[in-house]
Amino acid sequence: NAGVTQTPKFRVLKTGQSMTLLCAQDMNHEYMYWYRQDPGMGLRLIHYSVGEGTTAKGEVPDGYNVSRLKKQNFLLGLESAAPSQTSVYFCASSTRQSNQPQHFGDGTRLSIL
Amino acid sequence: AQSVTQLGSHVSVSEGALVLLRCNYSSSVPPYLFWYVQYPNQGLQLLLKYTTGATLVKGINGFEAEFKKSETSFHLTKPSAHMSDAAEYFCAVSETNSGNTPLVFGKGTRLSVIA
Repeated sequence: NAGVTQTPKFRVLKTGQSMTLLCAQDMNHEYMYWYRQDPGMGLRLIHYSVGEGTTAKGEVPDGYNVSRLKKQNFLLGLESAAPSQTSVYFCASSTRQSNQPQHFGDGTRLSIL
Repeated sequence: AQSVTQLGSHVSVSEGALVLLRCNYSSSVPPYLFWYVQYPNQGLQLLLKYTTGATLVKGINGFEAEFKKSETSFHLTKPSAHMSDAAEYFCAVSETNSGNTPLVFGKGTRLSVIA
């Protein structure tokens, strides 16, 4: 049971570089989410998607872009990385029912120098 | 709009002692409530959830939580702490008519268990 898989698990970037984080889920979930986790801040929602081809902004969307071209994949892009984007990034997925939980990946640790 | 407050960013208990992690929420409609646990270097795992019905909810690893509407609370408890319970715990709320609105998470409580 793969569940939610995030790629890569670790990455170090230099300021100004770009990269894409990949999230894949095999549960046929309609909804997918990207969060960042920073010490003392809990989980903050970056962007989310309620279906293929549809995305929406969360609490902290600036500096990030997303795409959901396929139902099972949700990509998070950093066009020009900044040190403030050093964080642990989590992807999650869920059904459309609000009484059902989100399922999380193991995270991507991103450091920007 | 819903919100979640977790009282205490860090709780420390002795092995075998009662664990009590507090969660209060605000919601304009009946909520769905969740507790997640995060072990070091891992993602979040669902511990338990309240949707409808019985207000005392049992989860994995001996944890349980009670939904108290009058107090807008959903505190997490475990009668006897084990070393393996050391982790970060997150409370989250969803509204019953939220449609496409994602879960709202609290800032988390780190539980330390002392031998």
